[in-house]
Amino acid sequence: DAGITQSPRYKITETGRQVTLMCHQTWSHSYMFWYRQDLGHGLRLIYYSAAADITDKGEVPDGYVVSRSKTENFPLTLESATRSQTSVYFCASSAPGLAGAEQYFGPGTRLTVT
Amino acid sequence: AQSVAQPEDQVNVAEGNPLTVKCTYSVSGNPYLFWYVQYPNRGLQFLLKYITGDNLVKGSYGFEAEFNKSQTSFHLKKPSALVSDSALYFCAVRDGTNSGYALNFGKGTSLLVTP
Repeated sequence: DAGITQSPRYKITETGRQVTLMCHQTWSHSYMFWYRQDLGHGLRLIYYSAAADITDKGEVPDGYVVSRSKTENFPLTLESATRSQTSVYFCASSAPGLAGAEQYFGPGTRLTVT
Repeated sequence: AQSVAQPEDQVNVAEGNPLTVKCTYSVSGNPYLFWYVQYPNRGLQFLLKYITGDNLVKGSYGFEAEFNKSQTSFHLKKPSALVSDSALYFCAVRDGTNSGYALNFGKGTSLLVTP
């Protein structure tokens, strides 16, 4: 039972390049989320998805694109990476229908933009 | 709008002593409150949550949290700290009357338990 996985775990890229971070969950959870974690800011929501083909912006969506063609996958793309996008990125999922449901997090991707 | 505040960047406790990590919240409706723990180079792990009912919530690894509506607080507690409890702790809130399911996180509190 893998749960929720992210790949790659570490990535170094150059300014201006496109980067895609992958997220895969095995629970068939409807809701999936992307957060970034930066010192002094805690976790901030980038995008979330309520189901396949349904996505919406979070607090800090600029510079990011998401898609969700399958329930289990929720990739995050940085179309043209900038140094300010250097961060640790976490994917999470939660069960549907319950506002009180907790979220389960992946191990994170540490992205460095040079 | 919904938010949480963790007023302490770091909490230091001696092993065996009780610990408290503070969290206050602000929501317009009914709060759903969560605590998560993050160990180095790991993702966040769910500890406990308050939805409704008993104000004292028990969670994983001997942690508990007390919901206080009048003080809008949800402090995390443990009667006897372990060195292995040293980690980063996040409080989070979701407004139960909103349709969205995202959590708003505090900035985190680093807990250091010394032998």
